Amino acid sequence: GAVVSQHPSWVICKSGTSVKIECRSLDFQATTMFWYRQFPKQSLMLMATSNEGSKATYEQGVEKDKFLINHASLTLSTLTVTSAHPEDSSFYICSASSMDKLFFGSGTQLSVL
Amino acid sequence: GQNIDQPTEMTATEGAIVQINCTYQTSGFNGLFWYQQHAGEAPTFLSYNVLDGLEEKGRFSSFLSRSKGYSYLLLKELQMKDSASYLCAPQRAGSYQLTFGKGTKLSVIP
Repeated sequence: GAVVSQHPSWVICKSGTSVKIECRSLDFQATTMFWYRQFPKQSLMLMATSNEGSKATYEQGVEKDKFLINHASLTLSTLTVTSAHPEDSSFYICSASSMDKLFFGSGTQLSVL
Repeated sequence: GQNIDQPTEMTATEGAIVQINCTYQTSGFNGLFWYQQHAGEAPTFLSYNVLDGLEEKGRFSSFLSRSKGYSYLLLKELQMKDSASYLCAPQRAGSYQLTFGKGTKLSVIP
């Protein structure tokens, strides 16, 4: 099956710094990637839909200026958490579509101190 | 690691009942999610089981047996709009990681 690679797996950063998370489709081209966030014991919550070559579509309540998404190629989307704060500590997961199926990255655990 | 097994495809008739099974092997287990995904769309949350037993939510129910590493999703009174992929996703204990199965593509026919 298709493989989606997400890096880093975990990151610890200081409050006020920015963190970039990469999501790559390794063996297929993904015109659309999804970014999710999951808080403990809660469901994955869709943050935004990343479209190659155009602006991302953000879900209601997600600050687009805080969560910068770049999808410059058909195999790479990045999520940058700018000026991270402790409340941004969460599990972030990306996914990409291939052949009408959704493949997920393994996720990034972000801890902001 | 986690091994997740669910049927690749299923077909059922409108108005019928269908059960989608999922078995998993995981080193440490927190709970299990079921997601529905329509083609080209993001998955939507269906259920989350932590304790053994059946959780009913409208037309959809989900069952979990932690000791057996087994879950199923039960869909009643099938509608055409239920044609979608259903993703089983166990959650590892001590981690927020969700590992999804490859999904079961359900086709509801008239």
